[in-house]
Amino acid sequence: GAVVSQHPSWVICKSGTSVKIECRSLDFQATTMFWYRQFPKQSLMLMATSNEGSKATYEQGVEKDKFLINHASLTLSTLTVTSAHPEDSSFYICSARDVRDHYEQYFGPGTRLTVT
Amino acid sequence: GNSVTQMEGPVTLSEEAFLTINCTYTATGYPSLFWYVQYPGEGLQLLLKATKADDKGSNKGFEATYRKETTSFHLEKGSVQVSDSAVYFCALRGGETSGSRLTFGEGTQLTVNP
Repeated sequence: GAVVSQHPSWVICKSGTSVKIECRSLDFQATTMFWYRQFPKQSLMLMATSNEGSKATYEQGVEKDKFLINHASLTLSTLTVTSAHPEDSSFYICSARDVRDHYEQYFGPGTRLTVT
Repeated sequence: GNSVTQMEGPVTLSEEAFLTINCTYTATGYPSLFWYVQYPGEGLQLLLKATKADDKGSNKGFEATYRKETTSFHLEKGSVQVSDSAVYFCALRGGETSGSRLTFGEGTQLTVNP
């Protein structure tokens, strides 16, 4: 149980375009999902906390207009990188909180974004 | 605020060697402590956890004990395998008032040679 999927697993896009990444909890309902960014050989940086049915809470320094987060259902959160630039290239990982399991976070497999 | 410090990597070992990856933390209250493993190109997998002082988490031959007196949660394995090669992250989660946010260490790259 407690499986989280991400789609796509990798994507290449051109500068100036927008990219949407989906995060789904497959076998549980997740009222809270988290979005992380990971640079090569570095740790995970929390970008935002997404709560179902409400606005996301962004960490300091993260541009909310650039990284749009929508958590429209209990099993789906999306991250849209708008007007992407090469510096947005990174590994994006989501996690979902399972309230049945002592608020454990379960991580998706990640999405590799490359902006050319 | 909360913070996690891991021993610097990379760590390179021969198969069947003993592994220790040090982790210390700073936190208010009584955090839960975790070790996650990340294989190349993948997301994080929970390896083990401990929720209170003196608890020992264990999984797949890995162990870590929650030491409140030394604020540590060192990861150990008696005999590593090539398949253990990965990046290991120590993390803590504060109380519920912190919103279940995880604070990660910098990660330690482990390479096990045959």
